[in-house]
Amino acid sequence: EAGVAQSPRYKIIEKRQSVAFWCNPISGHATLYWYQQILGQGPKLLIQFQNNGVVDDSQLPKDRFSAERLKGVDSTLKIQPAKLEDSAVYLCASSLVVGYEQYFGPGTRLTVT
Amino acid sequence: GQQLNQSPQSMFIQEGEDVSMNCTSSSIFNTWLWYKQDPGEGPVLLIALYKAGELTSNGRLTAQFGITRKDSFLNISASIPSDVGIYFCAGRSTGNNRKLIWGLGTSLAVNP
Repeated sequence: EAGVAQSPRYKIIEKRQSVAFWCNPISGHATLYWYQQILGQGPKLLIQFQNNGVVDDSQLPKDRFSAERLKGVDSTLKIQPAKLEDSAVYLCASSLVVGYEQYFGPGTRLTVT
Repeated sequence: GQQLNQSPQSMFIQEGEDVSMNCTSSSIFNTWLWYKQDPGEGPVLLIALYKAGELTSNGRLTAQFGITRKDSFLNISASIPSDVGIYFCAGRSTGNNRKLIWGLGTSLAVNP
């Protein structure tokens, strides 16, 4: 069974630029999560989708971050404009349904200069 | 946001030694999960616990769901160099859309 796929693996941008990350969850998983992981910390949930609907986006900085999962499968996370403090690893995870074990992709390491 | 207290923060041990780490919470959880994260990779699920008092093993790893439902322990027996990485605990309560609450991780280094 293929795992969670993410791209790109690495991205370097200048502050005020925009960036987008892509995630393809495990086939059949209805729930998709985007996390931000700053060095030395645990993952912080940004947004959670159930199929193509948002379940929780309470910690998403909505003035600059947006995410969508239009067809209930793939998802994109966008940052516009980026700030220095957005430098982090962005992890995508999926689970069969809400409350089940989450499986993570390899992450995208973002560096904002 | 809410976080778990995970200890120790880091460990440096000799190959072959046993390792123990734990997580505590001020809230009651109904699920405890233990993940391992290698450098440059996402966390990988090691063990999932669903019932107070539950003791579950996965190879050389053993984890327990505390009776109070506010803590969990992970033990690694006879450590080997590939055990190096960061171990995270995560807990889930019945509220908060069953959101996972994460510890800050335990960094493990193994000296061959």
